[in-house]
Amino acid sequence: GENVEQHPSTLSVQEGDSAVIKCTYSDSASNYFPWYKQELGKRPQLIIDIRSNVGEKKDQRIAVTLNKTAKHFSLHITETQPEDSAVYFCAATAAQAAGNKLTFGGGTRVLVKP
Amino acid sequence: NAGVMQNPRHLVRRRGQEARLRCSPMKGHSHVYWYRQLPEEGLKFMVYLQKENIIDESGMPKERFSAEFPKEGPSILRIQQVVRGDSAAYFCASSPGTGYYGYTFGSGTRLTVV
Repeated sequence: GENVEQHPSTLSVQEGDSAVIKCTYSDSASNYFPWYKQELGKRPQLIIDIRSNVGEKKDQRIAVTLNKTAKHFSLHITETQPEDSAVYFCAATAAQAAGNKLTFGGGTRVLVKP
Repeated sequence: NAGVMQNPRHLVRRRGQEARLRCSPMKGHSHVYWYRQLPEEGLKFMVYLQKENIIDESGMPKERFSAEFPKEGPSILRIQQVVRGDSAAYFCASSPGTGYYGYTFGSGTRLTVV
């Protein structure tokens, strides 16, 4: 089955700086990679996703990049703000197969210091 | 659209009792997934169901845990004879089906076993 590794487990950045979270996956059949943000005590919420036919996707201050050859993908948050403090999870799945079951990374706790 | 509805939000059970967690998927979503999140940890897949069918239960503990998604009504995750180690947040998610869809998560049920 799929295995997703996520690094770092914690990340502390100064407000305004950038944050980068990296994930690797094992199953070459995986072709859909969503990212979730989970604030304390709340549900995980989808913030951005990328398909394997795309190398990069941006949405305002967040961007994701995907390297299929190396089987890794990354989340980039620019101009971080205190409200970006949360736990971020990457995930992978082979869409249109296996019921779209997502395998999650272990999470990165991001703390943005004002 | 009410989103994915989970209840109860908080559930306290004594060791040895049964816990029943309910999940109603978003309107139009036919696929339900249950994940467990231990304190300070990631999201671990438990089971994937469609109406009246368990598609993948590879993440379910072999004993005491069961899940169903009947033709009518919500999906139920049932934990018999709970132990302290079952204390966790249990999240349900739904999706329209196979394809490039991220999940929509419910608010979770936080189970505490005393």
